[in-house]
Amino acid sequence: DVKVTQSSRYLVKRTGEKVFLECVQDMDHENMFWYRQDPGLGLRLIYFSYDVKMKEKGDIPEGYSVSREKKERFSLILESASTNQTSMYLCASRPDKVYEQYFGPGTRLTVT
Amino acid sequence: AQRVTQPEKLLSVFKGAPVELKCNYSYSGSPELFWYVQYSRQRLQLLLRHISRESIKGFTADLNKGETSFHLKKPFAQEEDSAMYYCALTNYGQNFVFGPGTRLSVLP
Repeated sequence: DVKVTQSSRYLVKRTGEKVFLECVQDMDHENMFWYRQDPGLGLRLIYFSYDVKMKEKGDIPEGYSVSREKKERFSLILESASTNQTSMYLCASRPDKVYEQYFGPGTRLTVT
Repeated sequence: AQRVTQPEKLLSVFKGAPVELKCNYSYSGSPELFWYVQYSRQRLQLLLRHISRESIKGFTADLNKGETSFHLKKPFAQEEDSAMYYCALTNYGQNFVFGPGTRLSVLP
């Protein structure tokens, strides 16, 4: 059973803080993704990674960066959190050649 | 630009009634289409994908390339079908584009 875990379910940060969201998958998947989920907008892709140390921008990368130093771990970094980054953040992974994504439980981030 | 639209934010039907969740897309190539579902307090999960052409939990979806649609249908809705449904597409499995979602409420 594929397991994607995220470091926190709820997080409250102040404007200007540096924020790290961690995602770990245990199925040796090559591809990992970070989305934000907002009502009325659905899921929007922030960044994805198809291999260790590789990353590609998604549709809304501004204000975010990512790190993938190990295959199982994909981190999302908010260099200087702003209130408009208050959202639900979802991590997902998938193996090569299979397009089904497996999602984590999400991190609800509130920036005050 | 790739885009997925789901015209209904909320769809309410009675138990046993047919249900159709609409999805339209714009894409210049040949994308792969999916339906994902999120039940209350659960994580997002794949419901079905167009290339498998299978029925999951009684749901089916047919890709209509002429109308660029991928509507999700079920002949008899059940209360446990109440959830948030997202239509999504991808090109080569890297960039995924999701629609805004439709909340299905099945009334007793």
